[in-house]
Amino acid sequence: QQQVKQSPQSLIVQKGGISIINCAYENTAFDYFPWYQQFPGKGPALLIAIRPDVSEKKEGRFTISFNKSAKQFSLHIMDSQPGDSATYFCAASMTGGFKTIFGAGTRLFVKA
Amino acid sequence: DGGITQSPKYLFRKEGQNVTLSCEQNLNHDAMYWYRQDPGQGLRLIYYSQIVNDFQKGDIAEGYSVSREKKESFPLTVTSAQKNPTAFYLCASSPAGLGGDEQFFGPGTRLTVL
Repeated sequence: QQQVKQSPQSLIVQKGGISIINCAYENTAFDYFPWYQQFPGKGPALLIAIRPDVSEKKEGRFTISFNKSAKQFSLHIMDSQPGDSATYFCAASMTGGFKTIFGAGTRLFVKA
Repeated sequence: DGGITQSPKYLFRKEGQNVTLSCEQNLNHDAMYWYRQDPGQGLRLIYYSQIVNDFQKGDIAEGYSVSREKKESFPLTVTSAQKNPTAFYLCASSPAGLGGDEQFFGPGTRLTVL
């Protein structure tokens, strides 16, 4: 019930294309769903986050789509750039729950 | 500049040795965390602390120990009891540790057992 399942494990996208990473969760008590971006040899950093009261959140080229009934959420990167090449982690947590549960990560490579 | 610092960046350990990884934050955050990252795996929680002088075991605490004597510091000791310690270790903090918070990560320490 505490797992967050992330797919795909790796993704290769052409420059200018759309990158899509999916996550699924089981615990309906989760109420905060962040995405973190990690470059090689660095710590992850928050990219964008959503709460279940909205179905979509957009920040620049990055969009989270959230489907509460399906218990799924996804990250869309529009106009993907080589500089977006990184590992992306979805995560979930609940208010008062103390812990954040991370997906296994997706390694994105954007070809120039 | 507010943030989290970890040292050293790289650490080499001989088998049977204990080593301590440093983590300091100047964000005035109450909660601090230690994660282990292995290739192809997500972040696995080792220990977390919500307040000074209190900490809780995470999912993979065996072979590790921590202390939280100051709000800004949360060192991790990798003991000789940890059988497979080679990994990338990440320290993080969040404002209150009550879930629903962004976690701020340090740059990590890569530990290699020789």
